[in-house]
Amino acid sequence: GGIITQTPKFLIGQEGQKLTLKCQQNFNHDTMYWYRQDSGKGLRLIYYSITENDLQKGDLSEGYDASREKKSSFSLTVTSAQKNEMAVFLCASSPWDNYAEQFFGPGTRLTVL
Amino acid sequence: GQQVQQSPASLVLQEGENAELQCNFSSTATQLQWFYQRPGGSLVSLLYNPSGTKHTGRLTSTTVTKERRSSLHISSSQITDSGTYFCASLQGTGSKLSFGKGAKLTVSP
Repeated sequence: GGIITQTPKFLIGQEGQKLTLKCQQNFNHDTMYWYRQDSGKGLRLIYYSITENDLQKGDLSEGYDASREKKSSFSLTVTSAQKNEMAVFLCASSPWDNYAEQFFGPGTRLTVL
Repeated sequence: GQQVQQSPASLVLQEGENAELQCNFSSTATQLQWFYQRPGGSLVSLLYNPSGTKHTGRLTSTTVTKERRSSLHISSSQITDSGTYFCASLQGTGSKLSFGKGAKLTVSP
């Protein structure tokens, strides 16, 4: 088994601030994902990384940057926080041979003041 | 358009009743997966069911690929089954999951 940890659990920032969310996994998975979940809604993909040196945009990448520092870690940066992007950000990972088998972290809840 | 559509959007049951959740997906969808999210919690995988019928505990999923649909049946629902159920699928040979909007299940005593 393995685990995905996300830090921080709660993130509070000011409008316009640059904020970074971190994700670590010990599954030894190649692929990692960042999703955004708005209250009561489904998940939208922000960025993903197939392998350690890969970075790909999802459907909602505008306003975000991502970095795959090493195989086990994947960071997401909100480049200029806006009030309308208050949401829960979920990190996930999957093995290279089954992208559908995704394991999720507990999430980071973002509040923008 | 929406790659994955779920119905109903919400369902209220009494404890002991059965729940049936539906998922319709596009023609290019593959590797269908059902996830569960407890209120305020993260997502956990329930069943990976690209085709046919799969069982685990009180859950049964049936995916008919030709008809582009999948169902999740929860038998004898319990209060702890309350939460949101998501259907998701890969698109073609890609590496991205497309999620439905979820089905919120509330089970009352």
